[in-house]
Amino acid sequence: DGGITQSPKYLFRKEGQNVTLSCEQNLNHDAMYWYRQDPGQGLRLIYYSQIVNDFQKGDIAEGYSVSREKKESFPLTVTSAQKNPTAFYLCASGKGWETQYFGPGTRLLVL
Amino acid sequence: LAKTTQPISMDSYEGQEVNITCSHNNIATNDYITWYQQFPSQGPRFIIQGYKTKVTNEVASLFIPADRKSSTLSLPRVSLSDTAVYYCLVGDKAAGNKLTFGGGTRVLVKP
Repeated sequence: DGGITQSPKYLFRKEGQNVTLSCEQNLNHDAMYWYRQDPGQGLRLIYYSQIVNDFQKGDIAEGYSVSREKKESFPLTVTSAQKNPTAFYLCASGKGWETQYFGPGTRLLVL
Repeated sequence: LAKTTQPISMDSYEGQEVNITCSHNNIATNDYITWYQQFPSQGPRFIIQGYKTKVTNEVASLFIPADRKSSTLSLPRVSLSDTAVYYCLVGDKAAGNKLTFGGGTRVLVKP
């Protein structure tokens, strides 16, 4: 059953804590992306990776970090430097830029 | 990056055709136009993509005039389940795999 998965569905972060959001795909896509969506807003690009062991900053990379050690996986860490992390986080993958396939999302809340 | 402008919201009734127009005045020669649909608390879903003239699939049609400075997504005979946010994106190959999601158009289908 091919697709893109994200976990957890909900995540709670305490002050000063780093948290990691998981994103896995078995679609054999080279490119993977992380977006942030705030209520009533569009998606904003955090980081993207076009190939294993390489990634680029998007529009709002500050306070976030990523890794791309495997083609199937693109985890996102929300660090303590991100002062307003509460949002809906979406991961996507694609063969190229034309079409992106999105996961179900992770909702991050701050305690 | 080519910027897009689309209406914030539209209301329609079941069985009607919905047309959403997106403006992209500075679209580049190699740019494609892509539309996504997003339901609340879900990731966006690819609907249709085109370069010029008309594209049709089982879900929608996309009309692109010769100057490509705008495009219109047409949803035939909408149902209540078509209530969603619709995003128009223009791909900028100069920026690699980076797409920009605007605020989208919130479509409400009424019974």
